[in-house]
Amino acid sequence: NAGVTQTPKFQVLKTGQSMTLQCAQDMNHEYMSWYRQDPGMGLRLIHYSVGAGITDQGEVPNGYNVSRSTTEDFPLRLLSAAPSQTSVYFCASSYTENSYNEQFFGPGTRLTVL
Amino acid sequence: AQKVTQAQTEISVVEKEDVTLDCVYETRDTTYYLFWYKQPPSGELVFLIRRNSFDEQNEISGRYSWNFQKSTSSFNFTITASQVVDSAVYFCALRVILTGGGNKLTFGTGTQLKVEL
Repeated sequence: NAGVTQTPKFQVLKTGQSMTLQCAQDMNHEYMSWYRQDPGMGLRLIHYSVGAGITDQGEVPNGYNVSRSTTEDFPLRLLSAAPSQTSVYFCASSYTENSYNEQFFGPGTRLTVL
Repeated sequence: AQKVTQAQTEISVVEKEDVTLDCVYETRDTTYYLFWYKQPPSGELVFLIRRNSFDEQNEISGRYSWNFQKSTSSFNFTITASQVVDSAVYFCALRVILTGGGNKLTFGTGTQLKVEL
């Protein structure tokens, strides 16, 4: 298994541009989520999905959209990038939404918005 | 609301010293899970341990040990005989079920551990 994969690894955007961060997992996990990591703030939940066709907001959802058309993929869309979205983005998945399930993290995408 | 506090921003030790990383959490849920993750300089997040709220047994895995105390809402992590390869940022996290489904993993702000020769 490849586990959780994320593309791209690095990205530089200009303010106002849009882009999609890709996330895929091959473990047949129902639960997927996106976090952003900022210095001194740990990781914060952006959006999550408990299964295909179901998504919901986390604690910092503004400026981001998600969709879950398949079990494997959970892309994160930045509609109009802002410098405040400069961060490292992690995608994670777990077998189910139950809290005892360990979350597996992707390698991260480092995004810079100029 | 859930909260995880890692008061130690950065710790520096000399190799072979023991070091304890503190984690204090807050939640009103009676069922929750606590995790520790390691983030080495390469950036990936590596799962270290999971502990549920009903299991207060301490755990030892090689040079790593964890002390979970519900009475003080703490889940501390000790590395015995530290090594340079232990240098990383360590995150404590709390996972609870959200109202309406789903769950949330709340992270602390992390502790940067530097192990020097």
